[in-house]
Amino acid sequence: TQLLEQSPQFLSIQEGENLTVYCNSSSVFSSLQWYRQEPGEGPVLLVTVVTGGEVKKLKRLTFQFGDARKDSSLHITAAQPGDTGLYLCAGPPTNAGKSTFGDGTTLTVKP
Amino acid sequence: DVKVTQSSRYLVKRTGEKVFLECVQDMDHENMFWYRQDPGLGLRLIYFSYDVKMKEKGDIPEGYSVSREKKERFSLILESASTNQTSMYLCASSSFYRGTEAFFGQGTRLTVV
Repeated sequence: TQLLEQSPQFLSIQEGENLTVYCNSSSVFSSLQWYRQEPGEGPVLLVTVVTGGEVKKLKRLTFQFGDARKDSSLHITAAQPGDTGLYLCAGPPTNAGKSTFGDGTTLTVKP
Repeated sequence: DVKVTQSSRYLVKRTGEKVFLECVQDMDHENMFWYRQDPGLGLRLIYFSYDVKMKEKGDIPEGYSVSREKKERFSLILESASTNQTSMYLCASSSFYRGTEAFFGQGTRLTVV
């Protein structure tokens, strides 16, 4: 079983601060996805990273896939209250489409 | 715009009732999933299906069953609801052939009293 560990589990910051959350595994992944889930809603896909060392930017969000494809990070610059939510990383489906999800990082950005 | 739709946002049911949660996707995806999400426990897979009439147990199938009679629809059934099945239920779908991303519905918050 491929496990994904996310850290920190909870993060509470003030508007305007920067932050980084991490997704780590002892296994190599062919790709990783990041999702954001707002309270009371389903997760929404943010990005997929595929190549080791890849960096993708989505406005103030920067996603990086580790060179060895065992870890990934999400950096948010100048966080805003609208960034509040649960951030989940996920590995690609294994046999017959079953994905592995991390337990998530709950981010609260205070105005 | 891709869409996964769950039939209810909120449900309140009594202990012992049979409960049906419906999920429909319009993306012609082969794979469909049911998860439950509880604080501190993350997303846990209940059942998944990779084709019509096919189903596979996930990590926590006890007390649940599923039905997939049509490709676009995947139903989760609680045979006899219990209070420990109070949870957020999430349906997702993905393509077996086109990428690895899962697309989620908006979730159903089920309360069993």
